[in-house]
Amino acid sequence: AQTVTQSQPEMSVQEAETVTLSCTYDTSESNYYLFWYKQPPSRQMILVIRQEAYKQQNATENRFSVNFQKAAKSFSLKISDSQLGDTAMYFCAFSQRDGGATNKLIFGTGTLLAVQP
Amino acid sequence: EAGVAQSPRYKIIEKRQSVAFWCNPISGHATLYWYQQILGQGPKLLIQFQNNGVVDDSQLPKDRFSAERLKGVDSTLKIQPAKLEDSAVYLCASSRTSGGAFEQFFGPGTRLTVL
Repeated sequence: AQTVTQSQPEMSVQEAETVTLSCTYDTSESNYYLFWYKQPPSRQMILVIRQEAYKQQNATENRFSVNFQKAAKSFSLKISDSQLGDTAMYFCAFSQRDGGATNKLIFGTGTLLAVQP
Repeated sequence: EAGVAQSPRYKIIEKRQSVAFWCNPISGHATLYWYQQILGQGPKLLIQFQNNGVVDDSQLPKDRFSAERLKGVDSTLKIQPAKLEDSAVYLCASSRTSGGAFEQFFGPGTRLTVL
């Protein structure tokens, strides 16, 4: 069974600085997707960034980038130039790649990020 | 494009009572998911529909939970009877179809408190 572990329950960063959130996972699959989702206070969950396991190049989306280490089963999220609106719970998640079977998201327990002014 | 709609947003009931949640996915999305998010934990899939068929309900407590997706559009999730440990946020999500390549879009959730 797949598992996702986030070992940092809470983190804090000053506005405009850079922060890295950690995630490790366990799977016997070779093809899968990894995600970072953001859940702001009292607002719905939105996708931040996605990585396909067969792609060696790390995904980037504006200020958000990942460090994907497949052999180490590590998937960290770097947020550059942190903004107050980045304050949220961040979830790391795993999904099998193939359609036809379930592609349920398996989530970690989350990291609560607070951006300080 | 309208997002995933859920109602009610909040519900408080006493244990052993029944409750139902409603979800309207994004138009045209074939796949619909119900997740349970207990405080301090990440969401956990309860059931996944592809159109009006069930793809995965392996973690649905079938003695008390039921779900349906009539006509492959809206879905309802029911708990009968509720237990204290059912207190959680119930998230509905939809995607264009199944497969990890397709982004899951989440609704605002229904926060259930069982007293």
